[in-house]
Amino acid sequence: RKEVEQDPGPFNVPEGATVAFNCTYSNSASQSFFWYRQDCRKEPKLLMSVYSSGNEDGRFTAQLNRASQYISLLIRDSKLSDSATYLCVVKSGVTGGGNKLTFGTGTQLKVEL
Amino acid sequence: NAGVTQTPKFRVLKTGQSMTLLCAQDMNHEYMYWYRQDPGMGLRLIHYSVGEGTTAKGEVPDGYNVSRLKKQNFLLGLESAAPSQTSVYFCASSYSPGARGQPQHFGDGTRLSIL
Repeated sequence: RKEVEQDPGPFNVPEGATVAFNCTYSNSASQSFFWYRQDCRKEPKLLMSVYSSGNEDGRFTAQLNRASQYISLLIRDSKLSDSATYLCVVKSGVTGGGNKLTFGTGTQLKVEL
Repeated sequence: NAGVTQTPKFRVLKTGQSMTLLCAQDMNHEYMYWYRQDPGMGLRLIHYSVGEGTTAKGEVPDGYNVSRLKKQNFLLGLESAAPSQTSVYFCASSYSPGARGQPQHFGDGTRLSIL
């Protein structure tokens, strides 16, 4: 089982739609969670951190469910410019100290007219 | 504010050739990382550094070496390039990840093809 799993999509949605992505992780001791956005042939960029109580940033809402070990991202009122790949990222501790980030393979979103 | 800068942006090598990818950051970050990204695989950590003069292996270190002689620079070397190393390479940096929620900042990638 992959440490971080995402549905690769693509999710094709009309402009203005609401779309949700889920991500599951296998390490119950994971500490921090993020959503990154990656445009085609570009570098990943931090979209938002995910907090235990859930958090919102404009049209974007992130949720964390530690009991079920999944993270979600909700995008409301989708824009054409939201078309991208969304990467789920989990930070976990490693033996001997320190920690590591594990990236999901990403979920592709295509917003259409 | 340049952030994280990678050079070169594109390169084509022949099997067996060597090269060095340079990453530079101007954010005074302690941690630096090299990843490779392949279709369907996500980003995989090659090597990382927790500070000047220190390096450590990541998930897929074989065939690569790294050096962190200066805090702002992290070099990734391929001693004898192989076609399996054809990939997009990303460098990233961050403050100490001991602080909860510290994000990584990425360079815009190096596209490397090995023929």
